[in-house]
Amino acid sequence: EIVLTQSPATLSLSPGERATLSCRASRSVSTALAWYQQQPGQAPRLLIYDTSYRATGIPARFSGSGSGTDFTLTISSLEPEDFAVYYCQLRTNWPPAVTFGGGTKVDIK
Amino acid sequence: QISLKESGPTLVKPTQTLTLTCTFSGFSLSTSGVAVGWIRQPPGKALEWLGMIYWDDDKRYSQSLKTNLTITGDSSKNQVVLIMTNMDPVDTATYYCAHRLGNSGFYFDYWGQGVLVTVSS
Repeated sequence: EIVLTQSPATLSLSPGERATLSCRASRSVSTALAWYQQQPGQAPRLLIYDTSYRATGIPARFSGSGSGTDFTLTISSLEPEDFAVYYCQLRTNWPPAVTFGGGTKVDIK
Repeated sequence: QISLKESGPTLVKPTQTLTLTCTFSGFSLSTSGVAVGWIRQPPGKALEWLGMIYWDDDKRYSQSLKTNLTITGDSSKNQVVLIMTNMDPVDTATYYCAHRLGNSGFYFDYWGQGVLVTVSS
C-alpha cells in the first residue's frame, strides 16, 4: 500500500507570500495526483487533478507539478481565503484504491 | 448543477450497523462513466477513502475496511447507500459522499456537506 507523506505539517505565511506544499509517495507511482483544499467545517474542494490540471473555477495562482514520488502544490501569492488545510490524493490502478495524505495546514503568520 | 447530501443517524452504539444515504441531483447513476464515492474524516484528522460505486453497479472498497462495508445504488431514487457493520468508537467521523470527476479515475469534484457520526455507548 502506498503512503503519502505531506510536508510541512504546518506552513505559516503572510498574505502575498508564495506557498510550496510537498506530497511524497512511499514508492514511485505511474498514476497522477490531486490536491484538495478544506476550510474549517466544510467539505474538501478539488483544486488540482492529474497532477497539474486546475479544476473548474480554480484561480491560476494554484499550480501543481511532480512525478514519480515527489509532487508539489504551489500557491503563487496567498490570498486571505487560501489559509486552510490542503490534502494530496493518489489513485492506484491495482488494487484500485484511493489514498490521501495527512494534510498541510497553511496558517497566517 | 450537481449536489449531494448525506443523511442518517448521528449516534450509533458500538457493534451496531451504520446505514447512511447519499441523495444526489444533477446527474444519474445510470449514465455511463458516473461514479460516487464515500470518504470519511475523524475529528481533526485526515481524509480516508471508503469505497466507490460505478454506473454499472461495480464497486471498489478500501482493502482495510472491505469486510465491514457495503455500498449500494438506486438510480431510480438518485441515491447511494453506505452500510458499515460492527461499528467501533474509532469509526467516529464525518462521512462524505462525493461525485467522481469525469468518467475515469478517482478524483472527486462535488462533495456533500458531510454527516458527523459518533460511535458511543
